[in-house]
Amino acid sequence: AQSVTQPDIHITVSEGASLELRCNYSYGATPYLFWYVQSPGQGLQLLLKYFSGDTLVQGIKGFEAEFKRSQSSFNLRKPSVHWSDAAEYFCAVDRGSGTASKLTFGTGTRLQVTL
Amino acid sequence: NAGVTQTPKFQVLKTGQSMTLQCAQDMNHEYMSWYRQDPGMGLRLIHYSVGAGITDQGEVPNGYNVSRSTTEDFPLRLLSAAPSQTSVYFCASSPRPSALAKNIQYFGAGTRLSVL
Repeated sequence: AQSVTQPDIHITVSEGASLELRCNYSYGATPYLFWYVQSPGQGLQLLLKYFSGDTLVQGIKGFEAEFKRSQSSFNLRKPSVHWSDAAEYFCAVDRGSGTASKLTFGTGTRLQVTL
Repeated sequence: NAGVTQTPKFQVLKTGQSMTLQCAQDMNHEYMSWYRQDPGMGLRLIHYSVGAGITDQGEVPNGYNVSRSTTEDFPLRLLSAAPSQTSVYFCASSPRPSALAKNIQYFGAGTRLSVL
């Protein structure tokens, strides 16, 4: 069965600093990979996705993620964090093409941004 | 352009009460899912549906029932609420996978449920 590990429960960065959130997955084949963001009291918003092709994917709000097959990782990065980026971030894996979309989520990383 | 709509946003129940969490989508998506979110556990899949009349269990189905009589609606029923069902519930929908519409799920704003 697929699984997702987000090793960092909570991260604090200063505004303007760079950010990297870690995500490791376990899946037999190449999965579809996602990063979602959840602001307090809100639903989940899709930041970016990887299906195939270029392993560096760009998302909304200046985020990017890199798929590394050899490391089973899909880390999220942002060069310069803004105070409005404070939220909880979830990495998720899906089975892949041709099947019903069934996401397995990591436990999330809560990002705090200090001014 | 409502997307996925969940009602109610908040609910408090007593142990043993029943209720239905509503979910509706207006994107003509075939697939719909229910997740629960608990602190430190991320989101876990409760039930899902691949089309009207077709449902299946996810990771944590016990204590929940679903049905899908229309493409638009996918209600989640708690027959006898328990304190362990205190959680935030999210409904999501996604189109049938294709070259253009891959496995992207769109989430509602959630229902926060407390069972006393």
